Amino acid sequence: NAGVTQTPKFQVLKTGQSMTLQCAQDMNHEYMSWYRQDPGMGLRLIHYSVGAGITDQGEVPNGYNVSRSTTEDFPLRLLSAAPSQTSVYFCASRQGGRETQYFGPGTRLLVL
Amino acid sequence: GENVEQHPSTLSVQEGDSAVIKCTYSDSASNYFPWYKQELGKRPQLIIDIRSNVGEKKDQRIAVTLNKTAKHFSLHITETQPEDSAVYFCAASKGTNAGKSTFGDGTTLTVKP
Repeated sequence: NAGVTQTPKFQVLKTGQSMTLQCAQDMNHEYMSWYRQDPGMGLRLIHYSVGAGITDQGEVPNGYNVSRSTTEDFPLRLLSAAPSQTSVYFCASRQGGRETQYFGPGTRLLVL
Repeated sequence: GENVEQHPSTLSVQEGDSAVIKCTYSDSASNYFPWYKQELGKRPQLIIDIRSNVGEKKDQRIAVTLNKTAKHFSLHITETQPEDSAVYFCAASKGTNAGKSTFGDGTTLTVKP
């Protein structure tokens, strides 16, 4: 099992550009989440999904969209990048009925 | 919503000493409390967790204690080693919503050889 994978590892964007951060898991986990991590802070929840076709907002959803068309994939879309979205983004998944979350390796995003 | 406060933000100990990191939470309905270790440039890794029906859990050199009444939980690392140096995060969630965890701001632990 590859576990949770994320692409790209690193990305530089200009203000106003859009892009999609990819996240995939091969563990057949029902639950998937996106977090952002800023320097000196913990992880903050952006969006999460409890299954294919079901998504909900987390703590800091503004400026981000998600969709979950398959169990495996949970892409995060930045609609119009802003410097405040410079951060490290982590995707995580967990099996329904179990609490343990598994994190992907992260995507480092720099918005100029 | 849930609010998690973590202290201290930095902690420096000598190799072999113990380290204690404390977290408080605000939502009495939270019932799942994991601790993560994050090395520089790496993903968070679960090191230990505790559920609200348990007061203490131990795994070799690490232990977690939970005081539901006071709404705080602590991570204890004994016989610290240089490889324990990392950022440690606590989190709290309502168990079935563990994908909706609220994290503390982290503690940077440095173990000096």
